[in-house]
Amino acid sequence: ETGVTQSPTHLIKTRGQQVTLRCSSQSGHNTVSWYQQALGQGPQFIFQYYREEENGRGNFPPRFSGLQFPNYSSELNVNALELDDSALYLCASSQSGRQGPYNEQFFGPGTRLTVL
Amino acid sequence: RKEVEQDPGPFNVPEGATVAFNCTYSNSASQSFFWYRQDCRKEPKLLMSVYSSGNEDGRFTAQLNRASQYISLLIRDSKLSDSATYLCVVNKRGFQKLVFGTGTRLLVSP
Repeated sequence: ETGVTQSPTHLIKTRGQQVTLRCSSQSGHNTVSWYQQALGQGPQFIFQYYREEENGRGNFPPRFSGLQFPNYSSELNVNALELDDSALYLCASSQSGRQGPYNEQFFGPGTRLTVL
Repeated sequence: RKEVEQDPGPFNVPEGATVAFNCTYSNSASQSFFWYRQDCRKEPKLLMSVYSSGNEDGRFTAQLNRASQYISLLIRDSKLSDSATYLCVVNKRGFQKLVFGTGTRLLVSP
């Protein structure tokens, strides 16, 4: 196991609702990245948090937002849910610098979100 | 065009077979390369990094061709437990994000 935990494991919401997903990073890691994996696709980068600040964002609308806390755990918030938001949401933690060389990211088990 | 492209498969092979997966990437600034394995409804797990000189880990061999922007994974003596989706992944210099391909599904049968 990677030591990265996510909650909840599964979630069902309806269109227009809001959702908050949580991630606890591995001990000693200061960076959390969030990815969305739709069925039959590879994970797509949403954004990354390094020491409580956003450190890069993928091609996702502003209704996808996040937070990182002083203990380096993180939240992903999605407002105004759409049917296409149904996916596996993965977080990954790493010990990284803001722009430094890549360090391995360790993935959590994911949260499976279904939007009806 | 997708930044990382893979044949989605599935590749159906018998136990003991040798199978090869290929992947191309479009961004020449890509610096780090990986193969991840993902079991059904589970998170991706790092299988191996890919180095310019090529590298081997047991039955698995990975190769990188920077000039052609091409990555490969060879699995020898396939086992039933190798059945999974194999994701080709790249990282661009100076960025911490990973860019994943769609994945190639492998089914190993008895």
